[in-house]
Amino acid sequence: NAGVTQTPKFRILKIGQSMTLQCTQDMNHNYMYWYRQDPGMGLKLIYYSVGAGITDKGEVPNGYNVSRSTTEDFPLRLELAAPSQTSVYFCASSYGLLAKNIQYFGAGTRLSVL
Amino acid sequence: QQPVQSPQAVILREGEDAVINCSSSKALYSVHWYRQKHGEAPVFLMILLKGGEQKGHEKISASFNEKKQQSSLYLTASQLSYSGTYFCGTVLTGNQFYFGTGTSLTVIP
Repeated sequence: NAGVTQTPKFRILKIGQSMTLQCTQDMNHNYMYWYRQDPGMGLKLIYYSVGAGITDKGEVPNGYNVSRSTTEDFPLRLELAAPSQTSVYFCASSYGLLAKNIQYFGAGTRLSVL
Repeated sequence: QQPVQSPQAVILREGEDAVINCSSSKALYSVHWYRQKHGEAPVFLMILLKGGEQKGHEKISASFNEKKQQSSLYLTASQLSYSGTYFCGTVLTGNQFYFGTGTSLTVIP
């Protein structure tokens, strides 16, 4: 089983460019999440989804957009990249609400905006 | 409203014990614990639901006191492989998950 797969693993963007971080899970999980982790810091929730067609903002949503057209995929879109978006991005999924369920993480995407 | 962990960092010799604490200013329904090694994704250790339960994972166990809004992670007879950053985490608002501030654990021979 692949679990949660993120692509690309590394990316360098110039200021003002846009890109989409891909996330796919094969566990048929309804819930999916995007986090960012700045160097030496903890993870912060950007957006999450409770099912296809349903998304909601997390703690740090500014500068990002998401969509959830299928159960498997949850892409994260960066528009007009800024140096403050230099970070490691993790996608995760869970079977149900995190109050009772485990979340499984992808390997991460390391993004530098220069 | 991020959970606060203490200590921020700890260095142990192999075989020593450690306790990592996680406190929240808001009521907790459950607490997750994760370990993250440098350059890798967080790895789930355990989840504790309210009820004051304790859980164990090899020589790593945890307790959860919802009245005190606290959880503690206990590492006994530490091994080199225990090195990493430990995070607690919990759902605080709606379905939003908040990771704690993190505790860096280094085990030396």
